[in-house]
Amino acid sequence: DGGITQSPKYLFRKEGQNVTLSCEQNLNHDAMYWYRQDPGQGLRLIYYSQIVNDFQKGDIAEGYSVSREKKESFPLTVTSAQKNPTAFYLCASSPPSGWGGTEAFFGQGTRLTVV
Amino acid sequence: GEDVEQSLFLSVREGDSSVINCTYTDSSSTYLYWYKQEPGAGLQLLTYIFSNMDMKQDQRLTVLLNKKDKHLSLRIADTQTGDSAIYFCAERRKKTSYDKVIFGPGTSLSVIP
Repeated sequence: DGGITQSPKYLFRKEGQNVTLSCEQNLNHDAMYWYRQDPGQGLRLIYYSQIVNDFQKGDIAEGYSVSREKKESFPLTVTSAQKNPTAFYLCASSPPSGWGGTEAFFGQGTRLTVV
Repeated sequence: GEDVEQSLFLSVREGDSSVINCTYTDSSSTYLYWYKQEPGAGLQLLTYIFSNMDMKQDQRLTVLLNKKDKHLSLRIADTQTGDSAIYFCAERRKKTSYDKVIFGPGTSLSVIP
């Protein structure tokens, strides 16, 4: 079955450490996105990538980094520079035509907690 | 402003209708979406409406769009306990390099048995 998979589901990080969240899709989608979700704030875009080897900053990119070496994979690294990293992180993908009516899919999310 | 607005909480009795409201910001937005999020899960697209439509009905769901007031609503008929979740309104805005999707803060729907 086609889908988008995030791992791990839960992640704990010590202050000062970098941590990488995985996102893999087998939908043959060109575009992939990372969002951060905080209670009562909706989803905020961190980074997006429309094609392999290319990505752009979203609204809250500071303290995060990404890579897009393969079409299927778009890992997100939360660096020690991110001041408040505890949140729920969601990955999404869509076809090259953009975020159309029904073609965009979300992963199940990773809950990151800094301890 | 830039924000999509929704009330944060709604509580209804099982069997009643739920109406979740949303105010968006960009009159040129092409698509408007409703997503559902169950606890600890990702977002699932419930329904969407093109900006040139006033209403869309899909089984128990009815979406109403008032472009003049930039107001979107989602009505769930015969609400069930399984409808308890967070509902996000989102608008798709045209940008130069890609279409940006802006999400509201989400409305947490609680269904009382």
